[in-house]
Amino acid sequence: GAVVSQHPSRVICKSGTSVKIECRSLDFQATTMFWYRQFPKQSLMLMATSNEGSKATYEQGVEKDKFLINHASLTLSTLTVTSAHPEDSSFYICSATDRLSSYNSPLHFGNGTRLTVT
Amino acid sequence: QKEVEQNSGPLSVPEGAIASLNCTYSDRGSQSFFWYRQYSGKSPELIMSIYSNGDKEDGRFTAQLNKASQYVSLLIRDSQPSDSATYLCALLRSGYSTLTFGKGTMLLVSP
Repeated sequence: GAVVSQHPSRVICKSGTSVKIECRSLDFQATTMFWYRQFPKQSLMLMATSNEGSKATYEQGVEKDKFLINHASLTLSTLTVTSAHPEDSSFYICSATDRLSSYNSPLHFGNGTRLTVT
Repeated sequence: QKEVEQNSGPLSVPEGAIASLNCTYSDRGSQSFFWYRQYSGKSPELIMSIYSNGDKEDGRFTAQLNKASQYVSLLIRDSQPSDSATYLCALLRSGYSTLTFGKGTMLLVSP
């Protein structure tokens, strides 16, 4: 089945630093990738939708200058958390859709990145 | 009304029993429905998808969809302790390209 690889799985950084998270589709081409954030005991919250070769679309309340998304190819999207603060500590998960699948095909999720900002 | 509603649980069932997880939604135009399982600290994994009214069975899992009543459910037969997880209901709303998730129901299967 379709595999989405996310790296790193866990990162601890100091407040004020930037962290980059990579999301790769390993065996399919993903025209669209999604970035979610999940706080403890909360549901997945969509942060942004990333389309290859174009600017990401951010959900209301998500700061685009803080969460930089780059979708440079059909298999790679990156999320950079700039000037991270403790309140950014969360579980970040990427997902992707297969361009060959229909519009209502399910999402394939990466394994997530646990970010802890100290 | 929230777009996707699930009872947060926990839903506790003994091993071997049937676990019934329910989800209601507000957008009548919703087209596609999915159940994801999420273990603690892990990302969601797809269990079932259902697109039309009725039942869809896959192994121990049965998804049920009733668009008129705006609910979708997941039945897990012969529940196992390894089924203990949070189950997320997700749907594709009309006019949207992204899934909307419920908050999930925690299932605990006791041996």
